[in-house]
Amino acid sequence: DAGVIQSPRHEVTEMGQEVTLRCKPISGHNSLFWYRQTMMRGLELLIYFNNNVPIDDSGMPEDRFSAKMPNASFSTLKIQPSEPRDSAVYFCASSPAVGNTIYFGEGSWLTVV
Amino acid sequence: AQSVSQHNHHVILSEAASLELGCNYSYGGTVNLFWYVQYPGQHLQLLLKYFSGDPLVKGIKGFEAEFIKSKFSFNLRKPSVQWSDTAEYFCAVKGGGFKTIFGAGTRLFVKA
Repeated sequence: DAGVIQSPRHEVTEMGQEVTLRCKPISGHNSLFWYRQTMMRGLELLIYFNNNVPIDDSGMPEDRFSAKMPNASFSTLKIQPSEPRDSAVYFCASSPAVGNTIYFGEGSWLTVV
Repeated sequence: AQSVSQHNHHVILSEAASLELGCNYSYGGTVNLFWYVQYPGQHLQLLLKYFSGDPLVKGIKGFEAEFIKSKFSFNLRKPSVQWSDTAEYFCAVKGGGFKTIFGAGTRLFVKA
């Protein structure tokens, strides 16, 4: 069974460019999460969806960040414009139900120069 | 609001030493409790979980955790660590609402 699939795995981009990270959750899971991990701030929950509906986006750092989930099998996290301080590992994760085990993707390693 | 506190940010042990990582949470109701592990350069993976029943939970790779409701704690233990246990360990709690809250993580380094 395929796990959570993220793309790209690595991206290096210049400041000011738009970055789009993609995620395919595990089939049948109805909760999807976007996390950001840095050395300084640890693991931060940015936003999560339940049944494709954004439930809590209070962790989204600012308006430059946006996330969508147009259907049950796809989500995007967009940063526009990107800044060097956005450099981090972005994890997408899914869960079969609220409160159940969260399954993480391999992460998208973003470097903004 | 819920919160999760992991007492140690960094732990250094020698191989064969015993391990205990502390985790406390703040939520008075029913909770689901988790420990996740992140090996260097990898994503988080579930180590063990507690939903109900026996408060002593056994997970993969010889890890176990004990839920003590009166202390709001869910400490992770392993009797004898190995070099391959070097990783970051995250405690997580799901109480009321949708969110699962993760602790700040504890970095374990095991000396060979």
